[in-house]
Amino acid sequence: NAGVTQTPKFQVLKTGQSMTLQCAQDMNHEYMSWYRQDPGMGLRLIHYSVGAGITDQGEVPNGYNVSRSTTEDFPLRLLSAAPSQTSVYFCASSAQEHTGELFFGEGSRLTVL
Amino acid sequence: DAKTTQPTSMDCAEGRAANLPCNHSTISGNEYVYWYRQIHSQGPQYIIHGLKNNETNEMASLIITEDRKSSTLILPHATLRDTAVYYCIPATSGTYKYIFGTGTRLKVLA
Repeated sequence: NAGVTQTPKFQVLKTGQSMTLQCAQDMNHEYMSWYRQDPGMGLRLIHYSVGAGITDQGEVPNGYNVSRSTTEDFPLRLLSAAPSQTSVYFCASSAQEHTGELFFGEGSRLTVL
Repeated sequence: DAKTTQPTSMDCAEGRAANLPCNHSTISGNEYVYWYRQIHSQGPQYIIHGLKNNETNEMASLIITEDRKSSTLILPHATLRDTAVYYCIPATSGTYKYIFGTGTRLKVLA
């Protein structure tokens, strides 16, 4: 059972570089989201999507872009990485008709030097 | 979105019940209360949710006060594997905009 798959698990970037964190789910879930978690902190919502072609901003969207061209994939793009974006990133998905259960990936640890 | 207040940390003896409180005094009538936990650095795991009635599943029980301003998550027989950060999240059904706070760090002691 794959569930929610995130790649890469670890990444080191230099300031100003760009990259894409990949997220894929095989549960046919309509809802997908990205969170970041800084050391000792809770999760903060970056962007979310309620279906293909539909995205919206969360609590901390600045510096990140998303798109949702398919139900399965929800990539997170950093166009110009900054040290403040050093964090652990989690992708989550949920079935639209279900009131609650988010399924999370294992996380992607990003360090920006 | 309702604000929540949870203790920063709690300890519980192995085998005893762990009672984790959450204050959500500004919760609106259509907001459910969801509980998740995060073990070490893993992705959070769903535990339970409820609107106004008490709920129970194989993992835990959720007690919501009659005025819905607070709730308590109960792990009936805590084990070492229940050591985790527990998050209480009010959210409207269908919004999918779940806002995690800082949670309660539960440590189960042998």
